[in-house]
Amino acid sequence: GAGVSQSPSNKVTEKGKDVELRCDPISGHTALYWYRQSLGQGLEFLIYFQGNSAPDKSGLPSDRFSAERTGGSVSTLTIQRTQQEDSAVYLCASSLAFLSGDTEAFFGQGTRLTVV
Amino acid sequence: DAKTTQPNSMESNEEEPVHLPCNHSTISGTDYIHWYRQLPSQGPEYVIHGLTSNVNNRMASLAIAEDRKSSTLILHRATLRDAAVYYCIPRPGSNYKLTFGKGTLLTVNP
Repeated sequence: GAGVSQSPSNKVTEKGKDVELRCDPISGHTALYWYRQSLGQGLEFLIYFQGNSAPDKSGLPSDRFSAERTGGSVSTLTIQRTQQEDSAVYLCASSLAFLSGDTEAFFGQGTRLTVV
Repeated sequence: DAKTTQPNSMESNEEEPVHLPCNHSTISGTDYIHWYRQLPSQGPEYVIHGLTSNVNNRMASLAIAEDRKSSTLILHRATLRDAAVYYCIPRPGSNYKLTFGKGTLLTVNP
């Protein structure tokens, strides 16, 4: 497909378990973002990747959260020892370029994570 | 990052124009003004962006004040599908940050 793809679309996990969320960006997009949106809340920036540069991890809420991007394409967001407050929709976006305000970002449909 | 002020909510009737305002008085000279929207249960969707001049695309028009301290997103004929939260985002030209505020919840009445 032509858009940003995220999987799974829904994930229910038990408190304390680890989860992995996947993002396939649009082909050729070098910039990739992860956001989190809790119920009824705005979008919270988590992490940003650009090519081979070191990612901006400034938005990760705790050391239980990590992300990687392999081969400059697919990205995985991992949450270890999940807590109930981690329940949210996790959104991925990709963009053609960085260091420019003149580009738009394209978002996936998100992964709805529920921790029970 | 520049701060934005948008109405919490607005209401419109179907087939009528909608003007969604945004105040960004602390915007810097190199910040582009982006608008995104988020339909219920979906990820955000790009709408339009501009720097100084007014912009038009198939979805909407963007009117930017001469002093760039405010802008207005114009939907020329609202449809039920336009019901969404609309975000105005000054995007720095010098970095990649895309920071979402609370946005405006637009309700479209049939």
